[in-house]
Amino acid sequence: EIVLTQSPGTLSLSPGERATLSCRAGQSLTSSFLAWYQQKPGQAPRLLIYGASSRATGIPDRFSGSGSGTDFTLTISRLEPEDFAVYYCQHYDRSPPEYTFGQGTKLEIK
Amino acid sequence: QVQLQESGPGLVKPSGTLSLTCAVSGGSISSGVRWWTWVRQPPGKGLEWIGEIFHSGSTNYKPSLQSRVAISMDKSKNQFSLRLSSLTAADTAVYYCASNSGWFHFDYWGQGTLVTVSS
Repeated sequence: EIVLTQSPGTLSLSPGERATLSCRAGQSLTSSFLAWYQQKPGQAPRLLIYGASSRATGIPDRFSGSGSGTDFTLTISRLEPEDFAVYYCQHYDRSPPEYTFGQGTKLEIK
Repeated sequence: QVQLQESGPGLVKPSGTLSLTCAVSGGSISSGVRWWTWVRQPPGKGLEWIGEIFHSGSTNYKPSLQSRVAISMDKSKNQFSLRLSSLTAADTAVYYCASNSGWFHFDYWGQGTLVTVSS
């Protein structure tokens, strides 16, 4: 099983600032299979980024994804009040077929 | 726009079996390239993929849960179901049904349902 390690565990920032969230794997990942989600309290996760860098439908362009190999990044260019939430990375492994999530990064208002 | 809605008991006993159903609207589970998936989240913790089913009936399960889990579908009702047996308190979680478009990410989610394992 591929282990995804997200850092930091908690990120404290102010609205308008830039957020950089990391997702690191113990082995090289297929970029096409790397996604990011946002989850707010009491809600289901929402897909933000798929294929490491493609924004999902309706996602603002302040959200961007990048990376390859073992290191991937979610960047929020200018934080809006509604962006404070928990963020998860996710990867799919073909053999055996299995999806893995990172442990999450909590983005909180400073 | 696909919509998903979980249903099932909110309280189950230890050593018992959890049974949940996910009703799908806005699309047919019998067609296309979508896989239909279950994900769970223990209170205050992260997300865990449980397994998935394709319209052909093919299934994939998380290896550590494989001996206890079964996912099935009822095409006539446009829904799919989860059964998880030999329950312990560690299975207490919000259970989500979700769907992927065949591109290995989950673009549609249900609202989730809390299942508590307790006597």
